[in-house]
Amino acid sequence: DAMVIQNPRYQVTQFGKPVTLSCSQTLNHNVMYWYQQKSSQAPKLLFHYYDKDFNNEADTPDNFQSRRPNTSFCFLDIRSPGLGDAAMYLCATRSEGGGAETQYFGPGTRLLVL
Amino acid sequence: AQSVTQLGSHVSVSEGALVLLRCNYSSSVPPYLFWYVQYPNQGLQLLLKYTTGATLVKGINGFEAEFKKSETSFHLTKPSAHMSDAAEYFCAVSSTGNTPLVFGKGTRLSVIA
Repeated sequence: DAMVIQNPRYQVTQFGKPVTLSCSQTLNHNVMYWYQQKSSQAPKLLFHYYDKDFNNEADTPDNFQSRRPNTSFCFLDIRSPGLGDAAMYLCATRSEGGGAETQYFGPGTRLLVL
Repeated sequence: AQSVTQLGSHVSVSEGALVLLRCNYSSSVPPYLFWYVQYPNQGLQLLLKYTTGATLVKGINGFEAEFKKSETSFHLTKPSAHMSDAAEYFCAVSSTGNTPLVFGKGTRLSVIA
């Protein structure tokens, strides 16, 4: 089945130790998003790509970076995780074809910072 | 700027009772409106969406929502709650298909046996 895949589902890292979360999609969608969702809160958009064009939200900390080497994969790099970065990280995709307004979400990666 | 307000961070209903989750939006242009459901430790799943056309939209799992422009509302309903409906529900708005979604703060639905 076509889908959005996130690995790992759970990630534990140490304070200040760089961590990378990955997202892949088999939908061939050209738009990809990264959201941060803290407990009992709405998802907060960090950045998104239209193809390779990177769009950073104004309030996304510099500590968060992203890479999209090809259509299928997108990575979220947290250079020096702090305790406040512990959250669920959601990847989503969207097509610019028919039904373009619908985002498809992956299952998320829950990050724990010790 | 767009915004979404979900009234009630927690709603509790009995199994078999009507589910009503409220969503009001603010948008300077005709909105695209969405309801997503999130089960514990899962991503978001689209329940239904309104883009254009019929204002009453039907989604998965027996849910439906009605776009009321005059009230700037897009409330989610289900005639009869099931235990499996217990989850977090998010209302979201975008101004076009290309703009990022703006989410409400979510409503946690509990279903009591």
